[in-house]
Order: sequence, then structure tokens, then C-alpha cells
Amino acid sequence: DQQVKQNSPSLSVQEGRISILNCDYTNSMFDYFLWYKKYPAEGPTFLISISSIKDKNEDGRFTVFLNKSAKHLSLHIVPSQPGDSAVYFCAASYNAGNMLTFGGGTRLMVKP
Amino acid sequence: NAGVMQNPRHLVRRRGQEARLRCSPMKGHSHVYWYRQLPEEGLKFMVYLQKENIIDESGMPKERFSAEFPKEGPSILRIQQVVRGDSAAYFCASSRFSGANVLTFGAGSRLTVL
Repeated sequence: DQQVKQNSPSLSVQEGRISILNCDYTNSMFDYFLWYKKYPAEGPTFLISISSIKDKNEDGRFTVFLNKSAKHLSLHIVPSQPGDSAVYFCAASYNAGNMLTFGGGTRLMVKP
Repeated sequence: NAGVMQNPRHLVRRRGQEARLRCSPMKGHSHVYWYRQLPEEGLKFMVYLQKENIIDESGMPKERFSAEFPKEGPSILRIQQVVRGDSAAYFCASSRFSGANVLTFGAGSRLTVL
């Protein structure tokens, strides 16, 4: 039973354009959502997060949108850069806990 | 200011042997988490520990797997009598507080069972 799903295993985008990565969840108890980025042979690194009391959080080129009614969140990267090429994981938690539930990841490839 | 340190980075074991994976959290962090990533999958929570205490082990397989975080030294994830299905990347993460949500991950230990 996958509580957090990333339905697109891969995404290819041209440099300078917008990358949109999507994530769906089923557990309505989740109240905190995070995006992690992972390069090969490295651990995931925290990118951006959003609390369920908000619907948008922005940090530089990265914006996360949360649609609670649809149980959907998305990560927008604009403009995309070749260095953004990595696997992006969506994660969720509840009750301010640290047990994160991860999606399966989306591999983003930004072409020069 | 070293991050989360995991070793070994790569470990090869034959079926039936034991695997021990070590994790030193970031300085000042007293909460440690272990996650497992099977090939082509996301990370799955295994266990959450504080010094000398297991807080939540709901993600740990019932048999062969154990974890500890002693008063002194690194946290250790131990897998006894390994099987091929244990082949995976094992990631350790740490945080300063509980409920901090943002975890800092190590680079992982990749276990291959022959």
C-alpha cells in the first residue's frame, strides 16, 4: 500500500524551461511534505518543504504547491539547469514526526 | 563539520553471513533513523533510535534485523543470515530534535548479497 506516489519515473526538460514534478498521497493524516534531491552514490539532500496549513512555499528557483483536497503536491523548478538533473523524492510525515514516507522518485534530466 | 557518516560504503556478503552497517550522526544530533532503498524503489523507513533507546521499529523486518545506538559510538544496523533480498542501499539520517522533520542523510551503505 503506497501512501505516497510519484507516477512519473522520469522527466526530460530543456535547460531554461520549467520542470514540474508531481506527487500524490492517500493518507489524510499527513501534515508535512518535503522534497529531497538525490545524486547517484550520494544520500538524499533536503530541498524544500511545506506544511499542510499552506498551499505554496517558494525558495529561489524552487516552488512547492500543495492541494490538500486533491491530496496532490508538485515541485516547480524554473528555470531548470543541467545541475538539477537528479532523482527527486517526495516525502510526507504527520504529527510533526520524523518517520518520513517516501514516494518512488522521479528522475529529472535537464538537457543543455 | 562532517555530515552523517556511514561505513562501509559498499559491503559484499554471501548468503548466511552477517552484515553490520555503521552510522555516525552529525555533531549535535541525537536522533538516528535507518531507511532502506531497494532497487528502483523509494526509501522505506526501518527504525528510529535515540541514544540507548529504540523509539520506533515499525519498519524493521521481524527477524534477522536489529539496530542499536549505544551511549558511545555509532549506530549499528545488523542483519543476520543475509539473503539475496537484503541487497539494497541502506541510508542513515539524523536530526537534532524529534519532530524536526528535516533529516540529514548519509551517503548510504550498499549491501550486495551473493
